[in-house]
Amino acid sequence: GESVGLHLPTLSVQEGDNSIINCAYSNSASDYFIWYKQESGKGPQFIIDIRSNMDKRQGQRVTVLLNKTVKHLSLQIAATQPGDSAVYFCAENYYGQNFVFGPGTRLSVLP
Amino acid sequence: DTGVSQNPRHKITKRGQNVTFRCDPISEHNRLYWYRQTLGQGPEFLTYFQNEAQLEKSRLLSDRFSAERPKGSFSTLEIQRTEQGDSAMYLCASSPRGSGSGDTQYFGPGTRLTVL
Repeated sequence: GESVGLHLPTLSVQEGDNSIINCAYSNSASDYFIWYKQESGKGPQFIIDIRSNMDKRQGQRVTVLLNKTVKHLSLQIAATQPGDSAVYFCAENYYGQNFVFGPGTRLSVLP
Repeated sequence: DTGVSQNPRHKITKRGQNVTFRCDPISEHNRLYWYRQTLGQGPEFLTYFQNEAQLEKSRLLSDRFSAERPKGSFSTLEIQRTEQGDSAMYLCASSPRGSGSGDTQYFGPGTRLTVL
């Protein structure tokens, strides 16, 4: 398959371990954030979102943490599986304007 | 399949030719977005529509690019006189609401353009 990103930061984890992917966002006024997963040759897939009035939100095997003080977002994936291997992007939004995407992190799950 | 669809999935063209891509959003989604993504980068915003109205265009959208959403449903993105620098993945996304705080955008599979 076609590679989504050739020179992205890479996080390698053992299958079954927890993964933490970090993102620094740019606009202190951003009020809505999304984590997307992108596999080679495919469009970004929604994982989880969070609004600025929250600092934590949990989904199925995923948790997003928001620290507005330092403009930092993280995605935690529990019990990482081979199918989690992909490039992960955070995206920020200010009051309904277009999303601004971070540079992405490649997650590689080792057997 | 009720997700966002894009056609064609791949397009190879010679420099100087015109190309047109189509996006069909999720039914009843009011907003439709176009993004461009190059290798190693996140998607970059190009333009978006609220129903049939084009509300914002990025400075990335040169005068060779034009987008339409004539009936507020599907959209087309045309690139005239293509250049090698236009080679990229062109992504379409839609979201259900139209105003106020941000709403989740759902992406299509993209159209991969290669300009020779």
